[in-house]
Amino acid sequence: KQEVTQIPAALSVPEGENLVLNCSFTDSAIYNLQWFRQDPGKGLTSLLLIQSSQREQTSGRLNASLDKSSGRSTLYIAASQPGDSATYLCAVRGNNAGNMLTFGGGTRLMVKP
Amino acid sequence: DTAVSQTPKYLVTQMGNDKSIKCEQNLGHDTMYWYKQDSKKFLKIMFSYNNKELIINETVPNRFSPKSPDKAHLNLHINSLELGDSAVYFCASSQVPSGRPSDTQYFGPGTRLTVL
Repeated sequence: KQEVTQIPAALSVPEGENLVLNCSFTDSAIYNLQWFRQDPGKGLTSLLLIQSSQREQTSGRLNASLDKSSGRSTLYIAASQPGDSATYLCAVRGNNAGNMLTFGGGTRLMVKP
Repeated sequence: DTAVSQTPKYLVTQMGNDKSIKCEQNLGHDTMYWYKQDSKKFLKIMFSYNNKELIINETVPNRFSPKSPDKAHLNLHINSLELGDSAVYFCASSQVPSGRPSDTQYFGPGTRLTVL
């Protein structure tokens, strides 16, 4: 059974700082890994999707890496801004039927002005 | 022009009632999902459905049933509501090309269900 863990559970940083969010998964047989952002009381917004054959994906100030063999992914946020404050979730699409995702518990990020 | 929409946004009801949450996607996707986010913010898959098959997470009680009138809709019916059903329910959709790795999932805004 796939288990996804995110560390830290919460993070508070001053504006402008570069930061790294960590995600680990127990079953390396995955099709892809996806990073989402969730704002309070809102739905999820997909940030980046990394296929199992890829090592990283970049979008603006965000860079996600994937090391499938060790079961790890990181989300790097450069020059953080108060608007980046949200909960960040990683999810893996494993070797299961139905294209279902297994989510981590999330990292709650607060960027202080 | 919302991609994935859900109604209602909030639902408050008594224990034992039967309720439905509606979901619609206008992305032309062929696969839709229901997720449950509990009070600890853990998101768990409940169902995956396309026009060919329904995949059910084995932990989901049979009081929950998805119903799809057409490809763009996947409604969630819940019978005999219990206190533990209180959560935020998210609908999502994706396009899963045959023979290729799965695509990005797009989520609706969520429905907050409170059972009293």
